[in-house]
Amino acid sequence: GAVVSQHPSRVICKSGTSVKIECRSLDFQATTMFWYRQFPKKSLMLMATSNEGSKATYEQGVEKDKFLINHASLTLSTLTVTSAHPEDSSFYICSANRWGEGDTQYFGPGTRLTVL
Amino acid sequence: AQSVTQLDSQVPVFEEAPVELRCNYSSSVSVYLFWYVQYPNQGLQLLLKYLSGSTLVKGINGFEAEFNKSQTSFHLRKPSVHISDTAEYFCAVSKKAAGNKLTFGGGTRVLVKP
Repeated sequence: GAVVSQHPSRVICKSGTSVKIECRSLDFQATTMFWYRQFPKKSLMLMATSNEGSKATYEQGVEKDKFLINHASLTLSTLTVTSAHPEDSSFYICSANRWGEGDTQYFGPGTRLTVL
Repeated sequence: AQSVTQLDSQVPVFEEAPVELRCNYSSSVSVYLFWYVQYPNQGLQLLLKYLSGSTLVKGINGFEAEFNKSQTSFHLRKPSVHISDTAEYFCAVSKKAAGNKLTFGGGTRVLVKP
């Protein structure tokens, strides 16, 4: 158990458009979901933490108006990159805490975003 | 605040040889400790975790790690590696409470050679 999916796995978009990435916990309810960004050959950088039904908490330096996070249910969180630019190109990974197992994050497979 | 240092950015190792990946952390509070593995273009998979109890933790794929509180270390070991162990390995810590953020080390790339 504890499977997290992301959709899409890859997306290419034009500069100025918006892109939505979905993160789902498939076989458990997620109390908290996290969004990370990973640059090539680098570690993960936490962008924001979201809890179902409440506003996301963004890390310092992350633009909340640019990276919109919605946590609609206990199994779904979405990240929307608004007005994307080439510098937003990156690997975005989500993770989730399983209800009753708040100490451990289970990660999705990631989404490769390329902005042309 | 916590910080995590993975001392080796890259570790080349021959197939069937042992490997040790070093991880040191600093924190003013008690922490949980984790090792994750990332294969190319994929998300992170949990290898093992230390929450409390026995300091020697066994994980998946034959990996184990030992928590050393006095040295604030959590080194990962495998006695005999396979080609399929070629991947990026991340050490991470979080404060001892539910839903807390993970702080990651910089990662160690393991390259297993035949």
